[in-house]
Amino acid sequence: GENVEQHPSTLSVQEGDSAVIKCTYSDSASNYFPWYKQELGKRPQLIIDIRSNVGEKKDQRIAVTLNKTAKHFSLHITETQPEDSAVYFCAVVKTSYDKVIFGPGTSLSVIP
Amino acid sequence: NAGVTQTPKFRVLKTGQSMTLLCAQDMNHEYMYWYRQDPGMGLRLIHYSVGEGTTAKGEVPDGYNVSRLKKQNFLLGLESAAPSQTSVYFCASTELAGVQETQYFGPGTRLLVL
Repeated sequence: GENVEQHPSTLSVQEGDSAVIKCTYSDSASNYFPWYKQELGKRPQLIIDIRSNVGEKKDQRIAVTLNKTAKHFSLHITETQPEDSAVYFCAVVKTSYDKVIFGPGTSLSVIP
Repeated sequence: NAGVTQTPKFRVLKTGQSMTLLCAQDMNHEYMYWYRQDPGMGLRLIHYSVGEGTTAKGEVPDGYNVSRLKKQNFLLGLESAAPSQTSVYFCASTELAGVQETQYFGPGTRLLVL
């Protein structure tokens, strides 16, 4: 089955710096890659996603890049703010497979 | 439009007791999912449903049963609770297009099994 790894597990950055979280996957047939943000005690919420026919997608301070050949994708947050502090989960989906496989999560702390 | 709701929010069980968690969505979504989230871990899929009357096993189905008698409701049952089932349980739903769309999560149910 699909194996999703996520690094780093914890990340601490100064406010205004950039943060990068990387996920790798094993199944080359996977074709949809969402990122979720989960604040403490709250539910996960989608922040950005990318499909396999696209190499990069950007939404204001958040971007995701995908390298299908190497089977990895990354979340980039620029100009970080304290409210970006949360746990971020990557996920991997295969069209013919009705399941979402989540990475173990990255705890991001933005220090004011 | 309430989105995805879960009942109860918190529950304490003794080992061997049974209970049912209710997930309801008012978005007319076809797909519904039950996940568990343990400290320091991601979300692991327990069971899911691709439509009314259908259910399927996820990654960690043992010790759980589910039912989808109505499109808007997805029930998760624990027949004989064990301490290993202490976790936060999230329900999610997505549209007919399936998993390649946004998953909308419920607020979660915290379960403690003593």
